Amino acid sequence: AQSVAQPEDQVNVAEGNPLTVKCTYSVSGNPYLFWYVQYPNRGLQFLLKYITGDNLVKGSYGFEAEFNKSQTSFHLKKPSALVSDSALYFCAVRDDDTGGFKTIFGAGTRLFVKA
Amino acid sequence: DTAVSQTPKYLVTQMGNDKSIKCEQNLGHDTMYWYKQDSKKFLKIMFSYNNKELIINETVPNRFSPKSPDKAHLNLHINSLELGDSAVYFCASSQLGSAGAYNEQFFGPGTRLTVL
Repeated sequence: AQSVAQPEDQVNVAEGNPLTVKCTYSVSGNPYLFWYVQYPNRGLQFLLKYITGDNLVKGSYGFEAEFNKSQTSFHLKKPSALVSDSALYFCAVRDDDTGGFKTIFGAGTRLFVKA
Repeated sequence: DTAVSQTPKYLVTQMGNDKSIKCEQNLGHDTMYWYKQDSKKFLKIMFSYNNKELIINETVPNRFSPKSPDKAHLNLHINSLELGDSAVYFCASSQLGSAGAYNEQFFGPGTRLTVL
């Protein structure tokens, strides 16, 4: 069965500094990985995905993620954090066992960017 | 135009009541979902529908009954509400197809259900 783990409940970073939000995955087949962001009292918004190809994936709002097969990781990164990036971030994996109809989400990591 | 909309946004009700949440998407997607987000923000899938057919029922109590009258709508009816049903319920949609298993989901704004 597929799963994702987000080892940090919270990440604190100063504005202008680089940020990393960690995600590791476990899949039985090819990994289809996603990052979503949730702002307070809002639904989740898609940031980026890895399906195949280049290990560095670029997404919305200046975010990128690095797929590392050997470490089974898909960490979310941004070179320079903004206060407005403060939100809840979810890593997710498509469950191939159900034909792609199910997505498994990590527990979420709360990002605080301090001015 | 809102891509995925849900009504109502807030729902406060007594234990034992029956309530419904409606969801509509105008993206032309063929797959819709219901998720439950608990107080710790953990997000769990409840149901997936593809072309109006139930595909995933993630061991949800049968007090929860989804209905998809057409591809653009997925409603959730809950009977005999319990305290533990209090949560935020999100509707989402995506386009599946030959390569569509890789497509991202679009989420509605959520319905905050409070059972007293």
